[in-house]
Amino acid sequence: QQPVQSPQAVILREGEDAVINCSSSKALYSVHWYRQKHGEAPVFLMILLKGGEQKGHEKISASFNEKKQQSSLYLTASQLSYSGTYFCGTENARYWAGYAGGTSYGKLTFGQGTILTVHP
Amino acid sequence: NAGVTQTPKFRILKIGQSMTLQCAQDMNHNYMYWYRQDPGMGLKLIYYSVGAGITDKGEVPNGYNVSRSTTEDFPLRLELAAPSQTSVYFCASSYSGQRPTYNEQFFGPGTRLTVL
Repeated sequence: QQPVQSPQAVILREGEDAVINCSSSKALYSVHWYRQKHGEAPVFLMILLKGGEQKGHEKISASFNEKKQQSSLYLTASQLSYSGTYFCGTENARYWAGYAGGTSYGKLTFGQGTILTVHP
Repeated sequence: NAGVTQTPKFRILKIGQSMTLQCAQDMNHNYMYWYRQDPGMGLKLIYYSVGAGITDKGEVPNGYNVSRSTTEDFPLRLELAAPSQTSVYFCASSYSGQRPTYNEQFFGPGTRLTVL
């Protein structure tokens, strides 16, 4: 089942902040965030793992609430280059002996995207 | 490193024709994936592979086939093309190392396919 992103679109002025949310109904191993500019491939921004580990760009921050299976991406002091469509991709936890813990080989289910537009 | 490469960049097919979309990566990644992205939508997983000789279905596999004979290459075959297969196809790869397992995916530039 596809994760739900909110809001669907955001319009900002340079220097403003934004938060994009991603919610899943499944037990998750990881949440990925990607940005895609028009006509280009998605580019990796951040990955958050069950258990608190994370990896990503210095200027991008995100959170992962494992109990609620929700993640939020925080974009601060936005720049024109932040414009694009942001996708969350969720990796379901693989079950071992009834326990949801392992990676599912990176298989991602992507949300519908959030269009971010930054104006001067 | 070239990263993930895809050919062709654009293709127009007639209904019923077949074709193979090529994907190659030079990062020695174990995992490879094929996605399709319809206009204004997110990406949907078609097939994936965890290593040479091992492939499995994703969310939307019908009408497609894959093979993986080497670590580097992961071609996607479309048989009997239909208008519903008009989309942009992205290939991606990731490396799975020691714990914690970061599977961030590196995407190719995409193939824009139109079926008329």
